[in-house]
Amino acid sequence: EAGVTQFPSHSVIEKGQTVTLRCDPISGHDNLYWYRRVMGKEIKFLLHFVKESKQDESGMPNNRFLAERTGGTYSTLKVQPAELEDSGVYFCASSQDAGANYGYTFGSGTRLTVV
Amino acid sequence: GEDVEQSLFLSVREGDSSVINCTYTDSSSTYLYWYKQEPGAGLQLLTYIFSNMDMKQDQRLTVLLNKKDKHLSLRIADTQTGDSAIYFCAPLRGSYIPTFGRGTSLIVHP
Repeated sequence: EAGVTQFPSHSVIEKGQTVTLRCDPISGHDNLYWYRRVMGKEIKFLLHFVKESKQDESGMPNNRFLAERTGGTYSTLKVQPAELEDSGVYFCASSQDAGANYGYTFGSGTRLTVV
Repeated sequence: GEDVEQSLFLSVREGDSSVINCTYTDSSSTYLYWYKQEPGAGLQLLTYIFSNMDMKQDQRLTVLLNKKDKHLSLRIADTQTGDSAIYFCAPLRGSYIPTFGRGTSLIVHP
């Protein structure tokens, strides 16, 4: 079974540019989560999709971040325009149901550097 | 304070036991996970404990839960250099969302 795939693995962009991160969950996993780790800080929850619907987006920092999950398959996280404080590692995870009984599988993350 | 707190670093000698401690704030957490992150890799689920358990053993790993004090620990027996990584405890917030702290960097030296 393929795991959770994220790309790109690294991205370096200039302040003010736009970046789109992509996450391909495990096939059949309805639940998809985005997290972010800023250097030296905790891994912070951003949002949770159930299929194509946003179940919980309480962790999204501001309206420069837009997450989508068209058709309930892969998800994208767009940052527009990027700011320096957006730098960090963005993780995606998926789970079969609500997750608690089956666990959450994480991708390797996308390291975003805004210069 | 943060919802999940761990010491940032732990250094042990190869062959010794490592104990990584975690305190959390959400007393309603039903599942509490331990994840491991090796350099350049994603988060790998190590083990978990259900909130009605006090202890869970899985090969070299022992998880202890003190629900009253909201304290979770992970003991790694016979620690090896390959165990060097960042370890995150992640209690479930509500029913669906694992909540992470800053993680503990475990350094194993010969």
